[in-house]
Amino acid sequence: AAGVIQSPRHLIKEKRETATLKCYPIPRHDTVYWYQQGPGQDPQFLISFYEKMQSDKGSIPDRFSAQQFSDYHSELNMSSLELGDSALYFCASSLVEGGETQYFGPGTRLLVL
Amino acid sequence: AQSVAQPEDQVNVAEGNPLTVKCTYSVSGNPYLFWYVQYPNRGLQFLLKYITGDNLVKGSYGFEAEFNKSQTSFHLKKPSALVSDSALYFCAVRDYYTGAGGFKTIFGAGTRLFVKA
Repeated sequence: AAGVIQSPRHLIKEKRETATLKCYPIPRHDTVYWYQQGPGQDPQFLISFYEKMQSDKGSIPDRFSAQQFSDYHSELNMSSLELGDSALYFCASSLVEGGETQYFGPGTRLLVL
Repeated sequence: AQSVAQPEDQVNVAEGNPLTVKCTYSVSGNPYLFWYVQYPNRGLQFLLKYITGDNLVKGSYGFEAEFNKSQTSFHLKKPSALVSDSALYFCAVRDYYTGAGGFKTIFGAGTRLFVKA
């Protein structure tokens, strides 16, 4: 079965650079979520989109923005990167009618030097 | 305020023995409760969920969890542990909150399970 796809899988950036992470949800899923997981920490919810509209906002810094496109894929844009942004960024998708179980992608590991 | 607590950072069991990973929660309404497993350098994988109905929920890989409303707990269990069950386990709760007018999922801090052969 198709799963959530994230790209790139690994990314190395320097401080103050920008990064764009992409997420392709499971086909027909209508909701996308972004999480940040620091080393040894639990996933922290950043933001979610339902039917291409922002549905929920968590601890997403103002330097970050995200959107969901007409084909339901989502992009997380990160600017003015800081060392503390180094983390594993997960995307998850769900179908509201399916009880909203979130299915996670493999994650993008971002390292900011 | 919503919260999820996993009181044990680590659980050690011997292969073949039963295992329990604890989770308690605090929400304002009726929650959706989830367990996810994370293997090293991998994404979170869904194990099971409780929305309504039977308090004992069966999930993937032989895991099950029991919803206890009076104790606000949702402990993960398996009758006979395998070495391959060694991983990081996250409990999560999804509840409506008014902060942004929608639903929010909160994860516990995670419990690392070690199963010894």
